[in-house]
Amino acid sequence: GDSVTQMEGPVTLSEEAFLTINCTYTATGYPSLFWYVQYPGEGLQLLLKATKADDKGSNKGFEATYRKETTSFHLEKGSVQVSDSAVYFCALILKTSYDKVIFGPGTSLSVIP
Amino acid sequence: DTAVSQTPKYLVTQMGNDKSIKCEQNLGHDTMYWYKQDSKKFLKIMFSYNNKELIINETVPNRFSPKSPDKAHLNLHINSLELGDSAVYFCASSLPSGGTEAFFGQGTRLTVV
Repeated sequence: GDSVTQMEGPVTLSEEAFLTINCTYTATGYPSLFWYVQYPGEGLQLLLKATKADDKGSNKGFEATYRKETTSFHLEKGSVQVSDSAVYFCALILKTSYDKVIFGPGTSLSVIP
Repeated sequence: DTAVSQTPKYLVTQMGNDKSIKCEQNLGHDTMYWYKQDSKKFLKIMFSYNNKELIINETVPNRFSPKSPDKAHLNLHINSLELGDSAVYFCASSLPSGGTEAFFGQGTRLTVV
């Protein structure tokens, strides 16, 4: 079935370190891919998205490229800040007669000064 | 203006009670969802409605009943609450068939004691 897999957390990094959170997916058809972020005590916010192969989504210094050949959408940031501490969810939406949103299990990130 | 709003934000209740969580979106979206987030942050889709019609009904106890009086509202009613129902419940909405992102409410933290 359709699914999203993310690297296990929690991830702990020092400030200004490089971040990679791996995400791979299995889907019938051609999904749109998303990264959502959930800050402590808050709801989910869209971080970035890509709607077709080779698209790169970017926002707030985060980037992810839609790789159809490896069915991946890894999240990267060159220099993390304490304020980036949150849970990150990779997700896909399948374009059918209705939208079916499938989330990965989430990766908790803690950035320490 | 809040795009997707849920009430209440916190709900503490005793086992066996019946409670409702309300959700409203002012984005003009046709599709609305309810998700349950457990203590490990895993997001599980419960229901999806498109234009007031039930589209997705995952394996959820029939004590949970969604109600959509119009396409801007999707309420969640829970009968005979159990300890295991304690979680954060998120409402979301999206445009149908466009592969666009889902917008989330701030969540309702339900605690059953």
